[in-house]
Amino acid sequence: DAGVTQSPTHLIKTRGQHVTLRCSPISGHKSVSWYQQVLGQGPQFIFQYYEKEERGRGNFPDRFSARQFPNYSSELNVNALLLGDSALYLCASSGTGGFSRGQPQHFGDGTRLSIL
Amino acid sequence: QQQVKQSPQSLIVQKGGISIINCAYENTAFDYFPWYQQFPGKGPALLIAIRPDVSEKKEGRFTISFNKSAKQFSLHIMDSQPGDSATYFCAASRVSDYKLSFGAGTTVTVRA
Repeated sequence: DAGVTQSPTHLIKTRGQHVTLRCSPISGHKSVSWYQQVLGQGPQFIFQYYEKEERGRGNFPDRFSARQFPNYSSELNVNALLLGDSALYLCASSGTGGFSRGQPQHFGDGTRLSIL
Repeated sequence: QQQVKQSPQSLIVQKGGISIINCAYENTAFDYFPWYQQFPGKGPALLIAIRPDVSEKKEGRFTISFNKSAKQFSLHIMDSQPGDSATYFCAASRVSDYKLSFGAGTTVTVRA
């Protein structure tokens, strides 16, 4: 079975531009979460979507937005890019019921975003 | 603010030795504590997880020890192998919440 897939794998942008990152969850998973991982640090939670609704948001500015589609795939959008947005952006999917029902988060390999 | 503090930042262990990574948390509402393993160029992969109703959980060469009163938990990697060389992250969450709070990571190097 395919795992969580993310595209593109690498992306180079300049300051002020906007970017769209895409994620396809594991088949049957309805929850998608986004994390930002700056080099040398642990992932930081950005958003969580379940059944196309936002269920959680981390401490990120409004320049960051996301949405989930009827097929449960998801997009993360970042506007007005800053140098500090350079990071690995990870998508994770979970089955119904979450951690309480033994449904861990499965991560994709991420999109490496570099801002020049 | 970092809700989960992890140490050490890095460690080197000989093949066959024991690697120990420690984490501490502040939020007493956390009740789900997973450990993730990450190789360069890859996303984190779940290794093992524990709930606070048990003090220890073992899966193969990996063991989590949990001390609820001290708000600390640790990962022990027994009989460390070169293939275990990776970055390990502890994390914490509430089971009702999909949001994971990660530690800063520990880079483990196993020398043959």
